[in-house]
Amino acid sequence: DTGVSQNPRHKITKRGQNVTFRCDPISEHNRLYWYRQTLGQGPEFLTYFQNEAQLEKSRLLSDRFSAERPKGSFSTLEIQRTEQGDSAMYLCASSLEYRRNSPLHFGNGTRLTVT
Amino acid sequence: GENVEQHPSTLSVQEGDSAVIKCTYSDSASNYFPWYKQELGKGPQLIIDIRSNVGEKKDQRIAVTLNKTAKHFSLHITETQPEDSAVYFCAASPMRALTFGSGTRLQVQP
Repeated sequence: DTGVSQNPRHKITKRGQNVTFRCDPISEHNRLYWYRQTLGQGPEFLTYFQNEAQLEKSRLLSDRFSAERPKGSFSTLEIQRTEQGDSAMYLCASSLEYRRNSPLHFGNGTRLTVT
Repeated sequence: GENVEQHPSTLSVQEGDSAVIKCTYSDSASNYFPWYKQELGKGPQLIIDIRSNVGEKKDQRIAVTLNKTAKHFSLHITETQPEDSAVYFCAASPMRALTFGSGTRLQVQP
């Protein structure tokens, strides 16, 4: 068990640019979640996948955000036309959903700074 | 949707003392209540969780209590140590993804 891996750890971009983050979940986990965390706040839910299917999206996930999980393995989160308000830590988590509410295992996040 | 409130926002204790963090939730359908510890530069790490059919759960120096009638749950850390210093988050889940509280920064003074 190597844990949830996220890349890159840090990303600095200029306003208006597109960015893409990658998450590699724990290998046997079938659920994958994306959360966003701003300074001094708890993580906020963005979206989650069961295998390759995206089952739910938060209203926080504007049209500029898109997430994919091809083949039910790794996932990518893309933000188009970044804004300064997108600056945050983007966290990925995975779980093995064999019953309702299995524990979530988080990665160490990607910190995005939009200048 | 679910709303989770957590307090205090900061807590300072002397090493060896106990620490208590409290959370309330709004959705009576919530049935899973985990607690996470987050250290600087790292993602949240699960430390203990409790389900709605249980009133209390202990794991060494950590315990969690749940009062479903009042819709509140608490984290208790006994015999605190400097390495317990971190930000702690409570969370609640009705059916879907977790909703987190805003966090408690715990500082254990040696």
